[in-house]
Amino acid sequence: QQQVKQSPQSLIVQKGGISIINCAYENTAFDYFPWYQQFPGKGPALLIAIRPDVSEKKEGRFTISFNKSAKQFSLHIMDSQPGDSATYFCAARRWAVSNFGNEKLTFGTGTRLTIIP
Amino acid sequence: NAGVTQTPKFRILKIGQSMTLQCAQDMNHNYMYWYRQDPGMGLKLIYYSVGAGITDKGEVPNGYNVSRSTTEDFPLRLELAAPSQTSVYFCASSWDRDSYEQYFGPGTRLTVT
Repeated sequence: QQQVKQSPQSLIVQKGGISIINCAYENTAFDYFPWYQQFPGKGPALLIAIRPDVSEKKEGRFTISFNKSAKQFSLHIMDSQPGDSATYFCAARRWAVSNFGNEKLTFGTGTRLTIIP
Repeated sequence: NAGVTQTPKFRILKIGQSMTLQCAQDMNHNYMYWYRQDPGMGLKLIYYSVGAGITDKGEVPNGYNVSRSTTEDFPLRLELAAPSQTSVYFCASSWDRDSYEQYFGPGTRLTVT
């Protein structure tokens, strides 16, 4: 099963609040879990990523929490700012089973985050 | 470095027409990808390439073709355009098979009417 389920579809948070986006997966062959941020009219860009042997990773105001047993991971944005307004995609990478192949990313459906003053 | 560039930015096609979406990268990346992005559907992989002359199908390859004659360029060909191909198309590249970071271009918004 390649699917990565992401929720919510949209999220409105007040400035200074905590934004939380959740993702769940089924395939235990996934070995890396990146989050991408996409601003309107732009391509996605890597924000932060975590390996499944780590329960939490923090970079500035952005934190990934990972629950391997539950097959869930989430992005927390602390002290959310209007500049954080964007669409966020979780993703999962599956290690290729053959030497010829390469890793492919399976993306969630995205969360449109809006930070209001 | 310009990174990943895509042309055109916008295009309107009539049903049955064909076109090529251009993608180029100047980072000497071996791996390149084409995705389509539809509202509420995330990014779906169309085709990918692991190096010049080597391409393979992704999740949604029907109606598309690719070629990779150089490391830098990875064009996507749409033959006999259909309304279902209305989407935003993103090209991406990555350094090697161990890299989980893909670098995306700015996208091409295609409408088929």
